[in-house]
Amino acid sequence: GENVEQHPSTLSVQEGDSAVIKCTYSDSASNYFPWYKQELGKRPQLIIDIRSNVGEKKDQRIAVTLNKTAKHFSLHITETQPEDSAVYFCASTSGTYKYIFGTGTRLKVLA
Amino acid sequence: DTEVTQTPKHLVMGMTNKKSLKCEQHMGHRAMYWYKQKAKKPPELMFVYSYEKLSINESVPSRFSPECPNSSLLNLHLHALQPEDSALYLCASSQDQRSEQYFGPGTRLTVT
Repeated sequence: GENVEQHPSTLSVQEGDSAVIKCTYSDSASNYFPWYKQELGKRPQLIIDIRSNVGEKKDQRIAVTLNKTAKHFSLHITETQPEDSAVYFCASTSGTYKYIFGTGTRLKVLA
Repeated sequence: DTEVTQTPKHLVMGMTNKKSLKCEQHMGHRAMYWYKQKAKKPPELMFVYSYEKLSINESVPSRFSPECPNSSLLNLHLHALQPEDSALYLCASSQDQRSEQYFGPGTRLTVT
């Protein structure tokens, strides 16, 4: 079945450094790729998303890149801050209402 | 209003109880979802309603029974649950099948 692999499972960076989280999807029909941030005890919240007709999207310190050939997409956070510490989930969907989530990355930004 | 609300926030129930979880959105979204999330795991899809019709049931045990009374409301009826059903239950909605999902705050369910 469809799945999304996410790496790394944990990531520690110094404040101000960059963080990169990578996902690989299996369903070649996937066409929408959201990234969610979930703080402890809170709901997942969308931080950025990308569609299959776009290779890169940026929103201030956050960017997402998509390589459809390799079925990879990545989240890039620059100038990390302590408030970026959370669990990040990637997801993909091919438009069937089924959103496949990655296993999550616990990001720790060390002050 | 870009919010999905869920009640109750917390629920403790015995294995013989019947309870219901409620979810509401007023964004005009046509798809609504129930997810189950265990600690340190991603959300796991349970059910999807599209235009008030059940379109996906991910082989969820019959002790979980979804209901969509109208386009703004989604319920999850619980009966004879097991301790392993203890989890955070998240409701979400989206405009269509490939749009941003808005999640509710969840109901923390404990089955004793």
